[in-house]
Amino acid sequence: AQTVTQSQPEMSVQEAETVTLSCTYDTSENNYYLFWYKQPPSRQMILVIRQEAYKQQNATENRFSVNFQKAAKSFSLKISDSQLGDTAMYFCASESASGTYKYIFGTGTRLKVLA
Amino acid sequence: DTEVTQTPKHLVMGMTNKKSLKCEQHMGHRAMYWYKQKAKKPPELMFVYSYEKLSINESVPSRFSPECPNSSLLNLHLHALQPEDSALYLCASSQAAGAGYNGYTFGSGTRLTVV
Repeated sequence: AQTVTQSQPEMSVQEAETVTLSCTYDTSENNYYLFWYKQPPSRQMILVIRQEAYKQQNATENRFSVNFQKAAKSFSLKISDSQLGDTAMYFCASESASGTYKYIFGTGTRLKVLA
Repeated sequence: DTEVTQTPKHLVMGMTNKKSLKCEQHMGHRAMYWYKQKAKKPPELMFVYSYEKLSINESVPSRFSPECPNSSLLNLHLHALQPEDSALYLCASSQAAGAGYNGYTFGSGTRLTVV
């Protein structure tokens, strides 16, 4: 069975600084997708960044980048130049590429950006 | 249009009431999902519709009844709910069932309180 673990329930970072959120996962699948979603107080889950497991290159989306270590089953999210609007709950998620229709979510990390 | 719209945003209902949650998307997505999210927890999958047919029911109690009248609409009919059913109900859509690399587009949810 797939599992996703986020070991940091809460984190804080000063505005303009860099922060890294940790995520580890376990799967027996050969191909899968990994995601980071952001859920601000507005409640909507927003896709931040995604990674296909068979791609070696780490995904990057503007200030957001991942460190994907497939052998270690690690998928951390780095936020550079943190902004107040980055304050949110961040969920790591995995999905099998075999089409099980089901995300496996981690328990989330609540990030607070301090002015 | 790149949104999933959910109505109402807030709902308070008694245990004997019948109410419905509505979800709408016009992105041409052929898969739609209902998730339930309790406070400070990740979303939990309830139902998956693929091409307007129910594909997955995650052993949800029959007091929750989903309906997909067409490819753009998804309803969740509620009847005889319990206070423990109080939660945020999120709708999501994807191009096809099993979100794959593109991930899901989520709505902002309906905050349901059962009294």
